[in-house]
Amino acid sequence: KAGVTQTPRYLIKTRGQQVTLSCSPISGHRSVSWYQQTPGQGLQFLFEYFSETQRNKGNFPGRFSGRQFSNSRSEMNVSTLELGDSALYLCASSFDRPNTGELFFGEGSRLTVL
Amino acid sequence: GNSVTQMEGPVTLSEEAFLTINCTYTATGYPSLFWYVQYPGEGLQLLLKATKADDKGSNKGFEATYRKETTSFHLEKGSVQVSDSAVYFCALWEAGTALIFGKGTTLSVSS
Repeated sequence: KAGVTQTPRYLIKTRGQQVTLSCSPISGHRSVSWYQQTPGQGLQFLFEYFSETQRNKGNFPGRFSGRQFSNSRSEMNVSTLELGDSALYLCASSFDRPNTGELFFGEGSRLTVL
Repeated sequence: GNSVTQMEGPVTLSEEAFLTINCTYTATGYPSLFWYVQYPGEGLQLLLKATKADDKGSNKGFEATYRKETTSFHLEKGSVQVSDSAVYFCALWEAGTALIFGKGTTLSVSS
């Protein structure tokens, strides 16, 4: 069974640009969560989507947004990039029936903002 | 709100040494507790979990016991290997909320 796939794996942007990251969950998983990982702040929860609806949201500014499609694939978008947005963005999926809190992570998309 | 506190790293050990990584939590209800591991260049993967008080999670020689009285979930391994070098994250989850992680503890094992 294929794991969680994230694209692109690496990308470099400049301040003020916007970026879109993609995540394909494990087949059959309907919940997709996004986390930002930085050396200083560790893993911080961005948002969770389930059946195309945002179910939970972390404490990030409105520049960070996401969506989920009917096939459970998800995208997150960051607009007006800032230097501090440089991070590893991790996507995770879960089965959700039942919801046990156990997440399956992708390898991440490493964003560098110059 | 819910939170997880882990011991600061890095932890540096020789092969076959005993490992303990401390983790304590604050939660409003009765969370499930997890240890995730992140090997260099990879995403996180679940190492072990416990869903209620006094449960012991175990996997690959690692163990952790859910202690409600001390709100702790310390990770232990009797004899570490070089291949155990990674970053270890303690996490908690309650229904209706997101998985909350500690800051992570880097383990470096030398031969």
